[in-house]
Parts: sequence; structure tokens; C-alpha cells
Amino acid sequence: AQRVTQPEKLLSVFKGAPVELKCNYSYSGSPELFWYVQYSRQRLQLLLRHISRESIKGFTADLNKGETSFHLKKPFAQEEDSAMYYCARRTYNTDKLIFGTGTRLQVFP
Amino acid sequence: NAGVTQTPKFQVLKTGQSMTLQCAQDMNHNSMYWYRQDPGMGLRLIYYSASEGTTDKGEVPNGYNVSRLNKREFSLRLESAAPSQTSVYFCASSEGSSLGTGANVLTFGAGSRLTVL
Repeated sequence: AQRVTQPEKLLSVFKGAPVELKCNYSYSGSPELFWYVQYSRQRLQLLLRHISRESIKGFTADLNKGETSFHLKKPFAQEEDSAMYYCARRTYNTDKLIFGTGTRLQVFP
Repeated sequence: NAGVTQTPKFQVLKTGQSMTLQCAQDMNHNSMYWYRQDPGMGLRLIYYSASEGTTDKGEVPNGYNVSRLNKREFSLRLESAAPSQTSVYFCASSEGSSLGTGANVLTFGAGSRLTVL
């Protein structure tokens, strides 16, 4: 099965601290990976995708095929980053998107 | 432009009752999805539809049926609700990757909170 693993249920940091939310995937060639975010009282929305190699709201994520990882990073966390973060991958040869169990990020002032 | 609309937002059922969750999108998307969200379990795919008239099982399809009668609408039916189906249900849609890489970005509805007593 093509899985996505997010080992941390909760990550708590202080404002200004670096953040790394971990995501590992089961190997299957060239995966298509995403990070989605759910802010309080808002809909789930795309944060970024590996294919775009972009930085959104200061977040970046690099695909590491050797470690089968797609960790989400931000050098200086802000209080407004507090949210639920989901890593997801597209399953091979379909449009199905499989999500990890999510990591709740809490940023304290 | 409403995006993805789900109804109802909240529902309480008794064990054994049936109900249908409705979902509609106005973005002319090809693919539609139903997920459930449970604490500690994340988002799990129930069913998926790549186009009108086609459906495919996801990770947790047991106890559910779906219907994709047209391009806009994708409904989820619980024939005989069980307490284990207490969850928040999300509908989502995407253009579909047949339109090119990167067209698989999901747009989500607001969610439907279902409680089965």
C-alpha cells in the first residue's frame, strides 16, 4: 500500500523558533506529494506541492528520495502558523490522494 | 463562486438509520472525493470518482455507497448507520490529472459532522 507517515501528532514551539513537520512516504518511483493545512474554523487547503518547488507563507518542503521524506520546514514560526498540517501523496496512476494522520502545530507567543 | 458545497453541516442519527450526504461543485472539476476525518486517524479516503458515472473504492469504503450522477454532484450514502461512522466528512474535487501534472490539487468543502448514537 502507498502510505504516508507523519510521526508527530503534536508539535509545540515558541514564536520565532524553527519548525520541521515530518513526513515519510512508502517508496514507489516518482511520488507526487503535497502539504495541506487546516486553520481553525477554515477549510482544508493546499499549502504547497513538491512539483512547484515554491515557498508559501515562509514554508518549504524538499523531496528527499533517498530518505523517502517530504518534511515541511519554516525557519521562524509565527503564531498564525498554528494549525493542523497534513502530508498527502497521489497514488500511482490515479488521482486518489492519500493523507497522513496529520500534525497539529502550536506556536506559543 | 461557491466552490464545494456540502449538506447537511450537522446530523445526528440513531444506529440503523440511513442518510445521504450531498456534495456539489461549481468549478467544472472532473474528480470528486469523499473523506472522513477522525482524531488520530487523519483523513481517510472513502470513495473517489474520476468522472461522471465512475466510482472507485478508497481506504475505508465499507458501510458506504456513493453516486456520481452528473459532473457536479457526488453523494455519500450510509444505508445503516453505526456508531463507528461518527465522524466529520469532507467532500473535495479536483480538475483531474488528465489535464496535466499539478491539476490534482483538491478543493475541499466545509465538512459535515455526523454523530451516530
